[in-house]
Formats: sequence, structure tokens, C-alpha cells
Amino acid sequence: GAVVSQHPSRVICKSGTSVKIECRSLDFQATTMFWYRQFPKQSLMLMATSNEGSKATYEQGVEKDKFLINHASLTLSTLTVTSAHPEDSSFYICSARTVYSNQPQHFGDGTRLSIL
Amino acid sequence: QKEVEQNSGPLSVPEGAIASLNCTYSDRGSQSFFWYRQYSGKSPELIMFIYSNGDKEDGRFTAQLNKASQYVSLLIRDSQPSDSATYLCAVENSGYSTLTFGKGTMLLVSP
Repeated sequence: GAVVSQHPSRVICKSGTSVKIECRSLDFQATTMFWYRQFPKQSLMLMATSNEGSKATYEQGVEKDKFLINHASLTLSTLTVTSAHPEDSSFYICSARTVYSNQPQHFGDGTRLSIL
Repeated sequence: QKEVEQNSGPLSVPEGAIASLNCTYSDRGSQSFFWYRQYSGKSPELIMFIYSNGDKEDGRFTAQLNKASQYVSLLIRDSQPSDSATYLCAVENSGYSTLTFGKGTMLLVSP
């Protein structure tokens, strides 16, 4: 149980392109989803918390107009990196948890984004 | 600024030995603690979680929590080469559903 699917697994695109990443909870309802970014040899940095049916809460320093998050249903959240530039190249990982408190976050497989 | 500290390692142990991974945290109100394993180039995988002081065992893994000392540890018994990975300690931020991650400890198990 607690399977989170993330798609695509890898994206290579030109600078200025917008990239959309999907995160789905396959066997549970995820009231809350999280988006992280991880640079090489660094730990996970939380970008934003996404609650179903409401606006995402962004961490300090994360541009909400650049990283658009939508959580339209209890099983799907999307992250769109708008007008991506080389400095946005990173490993983006989503996670999801159920409505029950204290339950762990389960991670998707991640998306490796490379902007040329 | 809530902090989670881990020794970056690498921690090297021979196959069959016990690996001990440690973590300290600054948020005294935290109630939930998690250990994730991350292989190179992959996303984190949940190993264990612990909420109460004391020990929690699951197979070869034992998580230990001491809230008074703000200290969490993970013991891996009978270490295998396949256990070689980076182990991330994560602490739930009090009052929020978010996690603060440590930088991880790299474990190397030699055959």
C-alpha cells in the first residue's frame, strides 16, 4: 500500500520551456501532498505544501509564480515549472500522506529535470 | 530555524555488523520521527517511523527515540551490502504536517 506515482521520471528541455510534473497517490487519498527539490549531494528541501482544493503554501524563497502547484483532487497534484532556466535543473520529488495525523509521507520516484 | 543534524559519514561497516546512525533535532515540540533510505539517484524510501520514547523494532531495523535529549537513532543489525545508501532522518515540525530533513548519513557496507 501507500504507492505514489510521479511522472515523468526525466525531462530534458530547452531554456524557456514550461514543464509539468504529475504526482498521483494510487491506493490512498492524499489530502496533503508535498513538493521537494534536491540538488546533488544535498538533502531534500521542501518547496511547497499542497492541500486538496486550496492554494499551496510555499516555503520562504520559493517563487510561487514560477512553480505553479495544483491539487485538484485527492489523488493528483501537479507542479509546473514555468519558463525554466538552467538553474532550475534539479531532482524534483513529490510525497503524499493521508488525512490521518502522524502518518508518514510516501515519496514518488522523482523527476530529474535538465534545462539546456 | 528548525534543524536536524546528522553526521554525513561515510559510515563504513563490514557485512554482518551493526550499523548505528544518529540524529539530533532542535524542535522540542516535535512528536513524529522518520527514517528514510535513499539510494543514489533515487527518491527516499520509508524505513521506519517512531512517535514514543524508547525502542521500536522492525526486522533488522531498530529505531530509538529520546525526546528529552532530542535524539533519534537507527540501528541496522546484520548489515548487508544492499544496505549501502544514504539514510535521512526526518522530523515532523510541531504544529505543521511538514518535515525537516537532515542532510543524511552515507552508509557503506563492505562484503
